[in-house]
Amino acid sequence: QSALTQPRSVSGSPGQSVTISCTGTSSDVGGYNYVSWYQQHPGKAPKLMIYDVSKRPSGVPDRFSGSKSGNTASLTISGLQAEDEADYYCCSYAGSYVVFGGGTKLTVL
Amino acid sequence: QVQLQESGPGLVKPSETLSLTCTVSGGSISSYYWSWIRQPAGKGLEWIGRIYTSGSTNYNPSLKSRVTMSVDTSKNQFSLKLSSVTAADTAVYYCARLVDWFDPWGQGTLVTVSS
Repeated sequence: QSALTQPRSVSGSPGQSVTISCTGTSSDVGGYNYVSWYQQHPGKAPKLMIYDVSKRPSGVPDRFSGSKSGNTASLTISGLQAEDEADYYCCSYAGSYVVFGGGTKLTVL
Repeated sequence: QVQLQESGPGLVKPSETLSLTCTVSGGSISSYYWSWIRQPAGKGLEWIGRIYTSGSTNYNPSLKSRVTMSVDTSKNQFSLKLSSVTAADTAVYYCARLVDWFDPWGQGTLVTVSS
């Protein structure tokens, strides 16, 4: 059970769009439509942003969207805002287990 | 809405057992999976395991030999025990409700392993 692969960092200017990838295997990301994404600000608990690949919980702006192709899931943030600067983690169901990505630090320039 | 709160010692000696409890308020603990997740300082999230309210468990294979989770539905609580701890187990420990996503989360509690 290996961690999902995410880029260590991404950046973008306010108003731009960024995409964070999350690569797994056919045993996790590719095998289930149970990918979720979490935003974590320093010193805070993670916050659910996307679940079931592309669904947004109530209260999450529609600037956040998710998708999946094969063994790779993606989180896209459009219209970047300063408050989007945070760490982002993907997560996938893997049968009886759950696996997280290593995390991506998003910097808003 | 459902809220979670971790509690337990913030300092554990090496080779001893780390014990944490998560108290669920604002809703019933029944008919859900509940999980523990940890995060060493400056590092990523690591799933520790899950427990259903029936007591059925699944653990991260890398920690399985040292982890025990339990649930007390009468108190709306679930617990984590991690044995034979070392400095590598120093982390913020979170509890969370698991559907196929984690939500909500507790605020987290820092556990330091040191003599």
